[in-house]
Amino acid sequence: GDSVTQMEGPVTLSEEAFLTINCTYTATGYPSLFWYVQYPGEGLQLLLKATKADDKGSNKGFEATYRKETTSFHLEKGSVQVSDSAVYFCALSMYSSASKIIFGSGTRLSIRP
Amino acid sequence: DGGITQSPKYLFRKEGQNVTLSCEQNLNHDAMYWYRQDPGQGLRLIYYSQIVNDFQKGDIAEGYSVSREKKESFPLTVTSAQKNPTAFYLCASSPFTEPNEKLFFGSGTQLSVL
Repeated sequence: GDSVTQMEGPVTLSEEAFLTINCTYTATGYPSLFWYVQYPGEGLQLLLKATKADDKGSNKGFEATYRKETTSFHLEKGSVQVSDSAVYFCALSMYSSASKIIFGSGTRLSIRP
Repeated sequence: DGGITQSPKYLFRKEGQNVTLSCEQNLNHDAMYWYRQDPGQGLRLIYYSQIVNDFQKGDIAEGYSVSREKKESFPLTVTSAQKNPTAFYLCASSPFTEPNEKLFFGSGTQLSVL
């Protein structure tokens, strides 16, 4: 079945470091891909999305490019801040329906001042 | 402020007891969802509802029940049949009247067993 695999955490970086969180997917067709972020004590928020191959989603300095050839959607940020400390979830949707979204297991990111 | 309100923030259940988690939204969204989040795991869908008075089982519906009597409200009951209820429960909503995969989440309820 369809699935999402993301790198295990926790990931700990110093402020202003470069961030990459890896995400790969398995799907029988061409899914939409998402990154959601969960700040401490809160629900998830959509961070960015991409709906077709080679699309780049971006928001708040984060970027991810939909790579069909490597079935990947890695999250990157050039210079992280302490406020970026959160859990990041990669997700896919095959049928343009929120009820069909499949989430990865999440990657906890901690940024040291 | 538009959003999703979940209550309570923390809930404790005694063995054999049913407990109900509240979820209210004022976003005028048609669809609402309940997810369970366990440490180190992704979210798993328990139940969802795309319209009032109708709901569908998700991937892990056993031991849970829901109702959707009003568009704004989608309470989740964790029954005594759910043998491992300790988890973080998230409610979400989305507009249904267009292809839209964006979910809006509440801040969650942490359920623990006494």
